[in-house]
Amino acid sequence: EVQLVESGGGLVQPGGSLRLSCVASGFTFRDYAMYWVRQAPGKGPEYVSLTSSHGSTTYYANSVKGRFIISRDNSKNTLYLQMGSLRPEDTAVYYCVRGRGSGWYYLDSWGQGALVTVSS
Amino acid sequence: EIVLTQSPGTLSLSPGERATLSCGASQSVGSTYLAWYQQKPGQAPRLLIYGASSRATGIPDRFSGSGSGTDFTLTISRLEPEDFAVYYCQQYDTSPITFGQGTRLEIK
Repeated sequence: EVQLVESGGGLVQPGGSLRLSCVASGFTFRDYAMYWVRQAPGKGPEYVSLTSSHGSTTYYANSVKGRFIISRDNSKNTLYLQMGSLRPEDTAVYYCVRGRGSGWYYLDSWGQGALVTVSS
Repeated sequence: EIVLTQSPGTLSLSPGERATLSCGASQSVGSTYLAWYQQKPGQAPRLLIYGASSRATGIPDRFSGSGSGTDFTLTISRLEPEDFAVYYCQQYDTSPITFGQGTRLEIK
């Protein structure tokens, strides 16, 4: 069974930093591209960042470019999101998601999410 | 980026009825790279349909997807009580991937 378990969420002040982790199990992690997708309260999902299966290629939404860094450690089956210069509008549940298929991937397995609240 | 517009915003139906949800794209979605997700309160979205019409593993056959180009549809043939939730479409043809704003399916 595919499992994705996020951790590292919490309350942080504007301008602060936070690092999310996602431990994967039940599949060969190094074979899959991985996404971070967030969902603000009462809103739909929003793409944040994508990493290729080997971690050599990364992409970011314009709203987080230059502030967030996605990375992965395939030896530890772990995906990361380093978030800096956080803003109140970054408040959301952050999901670790497996990409599947062709194109820019549909999202076939989601973690339970980590809540990030940016507030003073 | 491709903007996806879902309609209606809210759909009120009774168990046993047929539900038809629409997703319109601001430009053509190539290769039918369109997916549908279901989300219940407090849960992560769950993949229902990919490639516009292929059901994901374990999804009941009362769920079906259709469409191409800029117009896509999710149909639930006979609503079960557990189907009342929010539904999102997503395109993965061009970067960045984008989602619709959702259709809330509520019990009438």
